[in-house]
Amino acid sequence: DAGVIQSPRHEVTEMGQEVTLRCKPISGHDYLFWYRQTMMRGLELLIYFNNNVPIDDSGMPEDRFSAKMPNASFSTLKIQPSEPRDSAVYFCASRSTPGQANTEAFFGQGTRLTVV
Amino acid sequence: AQSVSQHNHHVILSEAASLELGCNYSYGGTVNLFWYVQYPGQHLQLLLKYFSGDPLVKGIKGFEAEFIKSKFSFNLRKPSVQWSDTAEYFCAVDLGSIKAAGNKLTFGGGTRVLVKP
Repeated sequence: DAGVIQSPRHEVTEMGQEVTLRCKPISGHDYLFWYRQTMMRGLELLIYFNNNVPIDDSGMPEDRFSAKMPNASFSTLKIQPSEPRDSAVYFCASRSTPGQANTEAFFGQGTRLTVV
Repeated sequence: AQSVSQHNHHVILSEAASLELGCNYSYGGTVNLFWYVQYPGQHLQLLLKYFSGDPLVKGIKGFEAEFIKSKFSFNLRKPSVQWSDTAEYFCAVDLGSIKAAGNKLTFGGGTRVLVKP
């Protein structure tokens, strides 16, 4: 398996523009997590899904942020409109249900977002 | 809700020194515990994990961690560090539940470790 795949790896956009980050989890994993990492706030959980259903989105900072998981192999995190303070590295991670083997979370390479 | 605390934000040490990073969590029930490492410019990778059984867990690259339930702790150790261990280390916890709501994987604030050659 190629692991968790995120795209793009880098994104530079102007304030006010819509940004869409993409994630392909590991096949067979039924949990998907979106995290944001900044120097100031560390690693924050934004939202996570189980079987494509959002379970906890309490970490989503504002209504400008939205996430979807239309199927088991794809998720998006959208920011509209983007602001400079959204600049961060966004990580996607996936895992299988506890009780099965290999239940740690596997992380993608991240998307480094810069909003200017 | 569970939370994770890592006591040291920054650690600087010399090669061959011993390393211990503290991690405490706040949840009284069954937990799964993890240590992840993030090398500069890279994504998080698993160092080791604890689900059940022997509370002394051995991971990759000579790292180990000890789960002490009475102290709600899961400290990471390495007897002799190398320059290549320079990285940020994250402790994480989830409730290990079969219910989806219990699988919120929560991370501590991280500890930046700098190993001087």
